[in-house]
Amino acid sequence: EPEVTQTPSHQVTQMGQEVILRCVPISNHLYFYWYRQILGQKVEFLVSFYNNEISEKSEIFDDQFSVERPDGSNFTLKIRSTKLEDSAMYFCASSDSGGAYEQYFGPGTRLTVT
Amino acid sequence: DAKTTQPPSMDCAEGRAANLPCNHSTISGNEYVYWYRQIHSQGPQYIIHGLKNNETNEMASLIITEDRKSSTLILPHATLRDTAVYYCIVRPVHQGAQKLVFGQGTRLTINP
Repeated sequence: EPEVTQTPSHQVTQMGQEVILRCVPISNHLYFYWYRQILGQKVEFLVSFYNNEISEKSEIFDDQFSVERPDGSNFTLKIRSTKLEDSAMYFCASSDSGGAYEQYFGPGTRLTVT
Repeated sequence: DAKTTQPPSMDCAEGRAANLPCNHSTISGNEYVYWYRQIHSQGPQYIIHGLKNNETNEMASLIITEDRKSSTLILPHATLRDTAVYYCIVRPVHQGAQKLVFGQGTRLTINP
């Protein structure tokens, strides 16, 4: 069964450093998403992406964040200058339609900023 | 903010049916009801969705009231592996990417 994959599973970085979280969505999917979950809190939407551009972004997704689909398979989230409060699980998701269709989530990347 | 209300926690005995309620009294005509679950700290997993008819798949059944203001997710024979946080989400059906807005969900514990 196709699945969304994410790398790395755990990333430790120092405050102020840049990190890139990588995702490989399901191959025939067209819509891509990033969510995050701070420990003990709700899953929060960050950004959605379709047709090589951002469809929607939340207030969390400020100028420090960017997304890219550099090739036909990868979808990346970059945080330019990490803060302690960026420590969270980051989940990538994809769907083959933006409407009524379900989103499939990856296993997540645990980002720890020290 | 999430437009659904769920009990914070529930318990169920292994092998019994788990019935998880959700209130969505402000649901609009173009909004679907989705259920996802999150096992420990894994990525959320899609379970089922529906508009107004009851739905069943290999994982669960979804019962939506006639007025669509509430629904119940039924896991017919709960196992220990069904222990998870279950999220009820309402979401419009539009063209384009549609985010999921997660609430706190119901923490379901299946007891042996």
